[in-house]
Amino acid sequence: ETGVTQSPTHLIKTRGQQVTLRCSSQSGHNTVSWYQQALGQGPQFIFQYYREEENGRGNFPPRFSGLQFPNYSSELNVNALELDDSALYLCASSLKGSNQPQHFGDGTRLSIL
Amino acid sequence: GDSVTQMEGPVTLSEEAFLTINCTYTATGYPSLFWYVQYPGEGLQLLLKATKADDKGSNKGFEATYRKETTSFHLEKGSVQVSDSAVYFCALSEGRGSTLGRLYFGRGTQLTVWP
Repeated sequence: ETGVTQSPTHLIKTRGQQVTLRCSSQSGHNTVSWYQQALGQGPQFIFQYYREEENGRGNFPPRFSGLQFPNYSSELNVNALELDDSALYLCASSLKGSNQPQHFGDGTRLSIL
Repeated sequence: GDSVTQMEGPVTLSEEAFLTINCTYTATGYPSLFWYVQYPGEGLQLLLKATKADDKGSNKGFEATYRKETTSFHLEKGSVQVSDSAVYFCALSEGRGSTLGRLYFGRGTQLTVWP
């Protein structure tokens, strides 16, 4: 069983640039969620995708956007990067349902200079 | 709104000591509760879960019981090992409309176990 994989592992960008992060779901999972984890904090929910549509969104501005593909893989796009966007971005896949555990990838460490 | 409160860390213990990490939650309805563990440089790994009141989740010697009357889900282990050193996160998930499956995390508790 292949777990959740994310790419790239690390990324350095400058303010104002755009970035795309990628995630491959665990086999059999149809739901993908993205989280932002600032240093020393718990992860914060960005959004969730199910059947290629956004299923819910946290308190993040529209410059955070996403996609889910027919094979359930996903992308997170962030435009107009700001210094505060520096964080670990985590992707989690699951079956749909609030009692279904989410399985996380190792994350992408994004640094904004 | 929904939220999770964890005891502040860091927690430092000697090997074979008893561990308790407190977690309380605020939610409407009937949330599912989870403990995740994060090792340095890695993502989160599911440690255990409970989906209804009085359920006990357990894994690798860790246990937590879903207590609706006290809105708590405290993590315990009878005898910790050096390899248990990590950050532990309590989380809840409640299905409500468009936020179905969203996880709310506590701030995490750093555990360090010395030999």
